[in-house]
Amino acid sequence: KAGVTQTPRYLIKTRGQQVTLSCSPISGHRSVSWYQQTPGQGLQFLFEYFSETQRNKGNFPGRFSGRQFSNSRSEMNVSTLELGDSALYLCASSLAGQFPYEQYFGPGTRLTVT
Amino acid sequence: QQQVKQSPQSLIVQKGGISIINCAYENTAFDYFPWYQQFPGKGPALLIAIRPDVSEKKEGRFTISFNKSAKQFSLHIMDSQPGDSATYLCAASTGGGNKLTFGTGTQLKVEL
Repeated sequence: KAGVTQTPRYLIKTRGQQVTLSCSPISGHRSVSWYQQTPGQGLQFLFEYFSETQRNKGNFPGRFSGRQFSNSRSEMNVSTLELGDSALYLCASSLAGQFPYEQYFGPGTRLTVT
Repeated sequence: QQQVKQSPQSLIVQKGGISIINCAYENTAFDYFPWYQQFPGKGPALLIAIRPDVSEKKEGRFTISFNKSAKQFSLHIMDSQPGDSATYLCAASTGGGNKLTFGTGTQLKVEL
């Protein structure tokens, strides 16, 4: 079974621009979560989508948003990029509905904001 | 507010030795505690996980010990190998859910 895939793997953007990252979950997984990983703050939860609805949200500004499609694929968008948004963005999928919800991570998208 | 504190930040162990990484949590509602292993340039990979109704869980060379009263849990890696050199992340969630709160990570190096 293929793992979680994320595209693109690397991205360089300029301050003020916006960016869209994509995540394809493991086949059959209906929940997709997004995390931000930085050297200073570590791994932080952004949000979770299940059945095209946001189910959980972390403490990030409204510039960070996401959505999920009917095939469970998900995208996250960051608008008005800031230098501090430079990070590894990780997507994780899980078989929602089966406790505990083991999460499997993708390789991440490395975003650099200049 | 850091809800999961992880120590040490870095660890050097000799091949064949035991690596021990500790985590402490504050939120008593946490009921699912996974450990992840992350290699440079890769996403975290689930290693082993435990729920608070058991005090220990073992999978191969990896063991989680859980102390509910002390609100602590630890990862033991027996017979540590150079291939185990990676960053280890503890995490916790409530309701076994997908909002994982992570520790700050431990960079493990296993020397020959």
